[in-house]
Amino acid sequence: KQEVTQIPAALSVPEGENLVLNCSFTDSAIYNLQWFRQDPGKGLTSLLLIQSSQREQTSGRLNASLDKSSGRSTLYIAASQPGDSATYLCAVRSIQGAQKLVFGQGTRLTINP
Amino acid sequence: NAGVTQTPKFQVLKTGQSMTLQCAQDMNHEYMSWYRQDPGMGLRLIHYSVGAGITDQGEVPNGYNVSRSTTEDFPLRLLSAAPSQTSVYFCASSSTGGNEKLFFGSGTQLSVL
Repeated sequence: KQEVTQIPAALSVPEGENLVLNCSFTDSAIYNLQWFRQDPGKGLTSLLLIQSSQREQTSGRLNASLDKSSGRSTLYIAASQPGDSATYLCAVRSIQGAQKLVFGQGTRLTINP
Repeated sequence: NAGVTQTPKFQVLKTGQSMTLQCAQDMNHEYMSWYRQDPGMGLRLIHYSVGAGITDQGEVPNGYNVSRSTTEDFPLRLLSAAPSQTSVYFCASSSTGGNEKLFFGSGTQLSVL
């Protein structure tokens, strides 16, 4: 059974810092991995999707990497801003049970002005 | 640009009552799903569908029914509400193929007294 873990559960950094969020998964047989952002009281917004054949994806100040063999992904946020404050979740689509995304519990990020 | 629309946004039920959470998408997505989000438990899949007339169970299906008569709509029915079903419910959709981003609705906050 696929398990997805995100550590730390919460992170607080000053504005302007570069930061890395971590996601690990137990079964490396995956189709893809997605990173989502969730603002309080809102739904989830997909930020980046990395296919199993890819090593990284970039969108603006965000860069997500995937190391399938070690079961790890990172989300790098450059030059953080207060508007980046949110909960970030990763989700894995496994080859077994491909219709069932498995989510981590998220990292709650606070960027302090 | 409606995307995924969920109604209602808030609902309070008494134990034993039944209700239907509505979900509609206008992106012609084959895949639709329902999640519940609880503190400390993360997002858990309730039911999903890969097309009209096709549904299947997720991780926590007990106490919930779904049907998919059209591509656009995927309602979630609570048969006899219990306090354990107090949660935030999210509907999500995507194209199929294994490598498509998941789009979420804004959620329904349900309280069962």
